[in-house]
Amino acid sequence: KNQVEQSPQSLIILEGKNCTLQCNYTVSPFSNLRWYKQDTGRGPVSLTIMTFSENTKSNGRYTATLDADTKQSSLHITASQLSDSASYICVVSAPYSSASKIIFGSGTRLSIRP
Amino acid sequence: GAGVSQSPSNKVTEKGKDVELRCDPISGHTALYWYRQSLGQGLEFLIYFQGNSAPDKSGLPSDRFSAERTGGSVSTLTIQRTQQEDSAVYLCASSPRGQDSNQPQHFGDGTRLSIL
Repeated sequence: KNQVEQSPQSLIILEGKNCTLQCNYTVSPFSNLRWYKQDTGRGPVSLTIMTFSENTKSNGRYTATLDADTKQSSLHITASQLSDSASYICVVSAPYSSASKIIFGSGTRLSIRP
Repeated sequence: GAGVSQSPSNKVTEKGKDVELRCDPISGHTALYWYRQSLGQGLEFLIYFQGNSAPDKSGLPSDRFSAERTGGSVSTLTIQRTQQEDSAVYLCASSPRGQDSNQPQHFGDGTRLSIL
């Protein structure tokens, strides 16, 4: 059973519009939740990291939210730019466990159209 | 360069051959991870090195896969007797401390491995 589910699988929006990507997880307890951006042909780059006690974290036009009660996170992108076209990956870690317990979602592929 | 460096960036080889993939982590990072990413799939954990501790090899898919980390720095992932299903992008990441810390993993751009 996939412990980190992301939706939608893909999304196309016009440049300048806002969008929200979703991440639902079943990992419990968990240590932190991370969002990464992965450009085509490149490695993932960290956007935000949130612990269970945090419910929002911003990085420029990217804002992540976390609801530990419902086990949901979202990544909101404001005033999208063409360079935002990428895959966005949600990653959940369990505390005091092996590295194999870092669970990656399959990502949302975002395309920004001019 | 200040980032994680992986080589080669692309590797094409025939089925049955052995391949070695190299990762140079960020200097001073004690934790190093190898992942595999198949087309359209999420990252699959392979192996984790933390300082001088025994590596966590629980993600290696078969005994054809092995990895070493020499001197706490450079790591090599070796795949013996390659199979077509080994075709994927192999990503390496490092972080300043172990995976329980709230530090991001810094990824290289990966090695794209194609088995003919």
